[in-house]
Amino acid sequence: DTGVSQDPRHKITKRGQNVTFRCDPISEHNRLYWYRQTLGQGPEFLTYFQNEAQLEKSRLLSDRFSAERPKGSFSTLEIQRTEQGDSAMYLCASSSTLGLERETQYFGPGTRLLVL
Amino acid sequence: GQSLEQPSEVTAVEGAIVQINCTYQTSGFYGLSWYQQHDGGAPTFLSYNALDGLEETGRFSSFLSRSDSYGYLLLQELQMKDSASYFCAVSNDYKLSFGAGTTVTVRA
Repeated sequence: DTGVSQDPRHKITKRGQNVTFRCDPISEHNRLYWYRQTLGQGPEFLTYFQNEAQLEKSRLLSDRFSAERPKGSFSTLEIQRTEQGDSAMYLCASSSTLGLERETQYFGPGTRLLVL
Repeated sequence: GQSLEQPSEVTAVEGAIVQINCTYQTSGFYGLSWYQQHDGGAPTFLSYNALDGLEETGRFSSFLSRSDSYGYLLLQELQMKDSASYFCAVSNDYKLSFGAGTTVTVRA
């Protein structure tokens, strides 16, 4: 069990560019979540997958954002036409649906995005 | 929707006890979780309460009162490494809704 990994850890881009982030969850976890965190705030839920199905998207997730989990393993989050307001830490988390573990989400180290 | 309130900052000395309160309003409630986050790090799970009462895990304990929509995290025998942000989060099965966090600073 190597934990949740995210790539890249840091991304600097210019306004209007597209960016894509990757998340590799803990291998036996079937649920995967994306959150966004800005300075001084708690993580905000963006979307979640159970296996390959995207089951909920927050209203925070504008149509410039898209997330996929094609084979129920890793996930990607793409932001198109980035804006300065997209600058934040993007966190991925995973969990199992079994027993007490279903209440524990394991977070990755995050991707810090800066839009210039 | 969900709203959670917790104090923004707490400062205490090594060895002391700190209690971080959390009140919440939510449309769906499975339980209350607590996460710790060091500067630049990932949130890490500390505890979860689905039922009323106290859960103890080493130096940390968490309490929930569902009727009062209230919980707290108790940090005992504070150590310097406990300096971090602590978040309460309401769980509605799959989604966590976090508070803004409490920054705990431990002084020597």
